[in-house]
Amino acid sequence: DIQMTQSPSSLSASVGDRVTITCRASQDISSYLTWYQQSPGKAPKLLIYAASILQSGVPSRFSGSGRGRDFTLSISSLQPDDFATYYCQQSYSALYTFGQGTKVEMK
Amino acid sequence: QITLKESGPTLVKPTQTLTLTCTFSGFSLRTSGVGVGWLRQPPGKALEWLALVFWDDDKRYSPSLESRLTITKDTSRNQVVLTMTNVDPVDTATYFCAHSEGRNMVRGGSTRVFDSWGQGTLVTVSS
Repeated sequence: DIQMTQSPSSLSASVGDRVTITCRASQDISSYLTWYQQSPGKAPKLLIYAASILQSGVPSRFSGSGRGRDFTLSISSLQPDDFATYYCQQSYSALYTFGQGTKVEMK
Repeated sequence: QITLKESGPTLVKPTQTLTLTCTFSGFSLRTSGVGVGWLRQPPGKALEWLALVFWDDDKRYSPSLESRLTITKDTSRNQVVLTMTNVDPVDTATYFCAHSEGRNMVRGGSTRVFDSWGQGTLVTVSS
């Protein structure tokens, strides 16, 4: 099975900060990497797929990069709605494993 | 507009079989490339993918749970049903169903995403 490891597990930031979350796969997954955002008590929301393609309707302050084993989700200027938990997920193996999540909290 | 809604019991006893239904609208499971998946999230923990059924009735299961899961679709009723046998308290979780489709990638090929989700239903396994 492909394991997905996110770092950090949590971070504290302020509105306006730039935030970066990393995700590492246990093997090469090319660009088969998806990012989801989950606000408390809500269903996950698709943010970015194929490592860097922004889902329609997602603000441009979100961006994704990476290929192979290492990936990054960046938020250029954190907004109040962005305080949430972010998950990466691989679709290379069609077993759709998720990372453990990164919680972005208010400083 | 795509909508999905999960339904089923909120409390199940250990060793029983759990049956969850996903009722959807706004798309058809007859459309090439479309799928409906089930995922879950134990309280305070990460998301876990469970199963996926495709428009052509192909099915995929999480290897760790495959022996306990069955996913079926009823295209005419716009429903997807997940059954999980022999439940245990560790199966306590919020269960989500989600619409899935393939998306083109920059360098060719396609990747599958879960782009619309139900609100989720909390299932507690306890005697």
